[in-house]
Amino acid sequence: DQQVKQNSPSLSVQEGRISILNCDYTNSMFDYFLWYKKYPAEGPTFLISISSIKDKNEDGRFTVFLNKSAKHLSLHIVPSQPGDSAVYFCAASRGSQGNLIFGKGTKLSVKP
Amino acid sequence: EAGVVQSPRYKIIEKKQPVAFWCNPISGHNTLYWYLQNLGQGPELLIRYENEEAVDDSQLPKDRFSAERLKGVDSTLKIQPAELGDSAVYLCASGQGRTGELFFGEGSRLTVL
Repeated sequence: DQQVKQNSPSLSVQEGRISILNCDYTNSMFDYFLWYKKYPAEGPTFLISISSIKDKNEDGRFTVFLNKSAKHLSLHIVPSQPGDSAVYFCAASRGSQGNLIFGKGTKLSVKP
Repeated sequence: EAGVVQSPRYKIIEKKQPVAFWCNPISGHNTLYWYLQNLGQGPELLIRYENEEAVDDSQLPKDRFSAERLKGVDSTLKIQPAELGDSAVYLCASGQGRTGELFFGEGSRLTVL
């Protein structure tokens, strides 16, 4: 049973527009959420995180929104750039020191 | 600062052969993880170390997989014997246990023929 779900395997966006990647979770004990970015033949790299005490966290072009009642989070990238093309993984844990549970990932393609 | 180093990057073996992967975490990181990533899937935890101690190995198939972290620094993950279904990328990650942010190596891609 998947505890972290990314239901869109892929997303294609035009350069300069907004990219919205979605993630749902089922375990209400999760209280720390992260997004990782992965290029081919490389390991995932940390992008941004959010604690359940917040509903928004922003870092430059990247913003993560958390809706606890819906058990849903999203990553917004504005404006999207071709270099953002990668696989994005959503991850969740119980506390900031808990084991991370990853979704299956969404492949983002940003077209020039 | 050097990142997480893994070797080998690629390994091709025949089934029933043994294989070992090595990981050198970021200096000062006391927490080390081994993850398995199958094609089209997210990383799945195999084992987590806090210093030398394996604090979570519930997902490690102990009949064929073993791991160790000597002196709380480098770690090795071994599979013996390998099966066809073990073909995957084996990722090592380290962290400081405070922020939850993990630093991943480039992974070791295993192909079992």
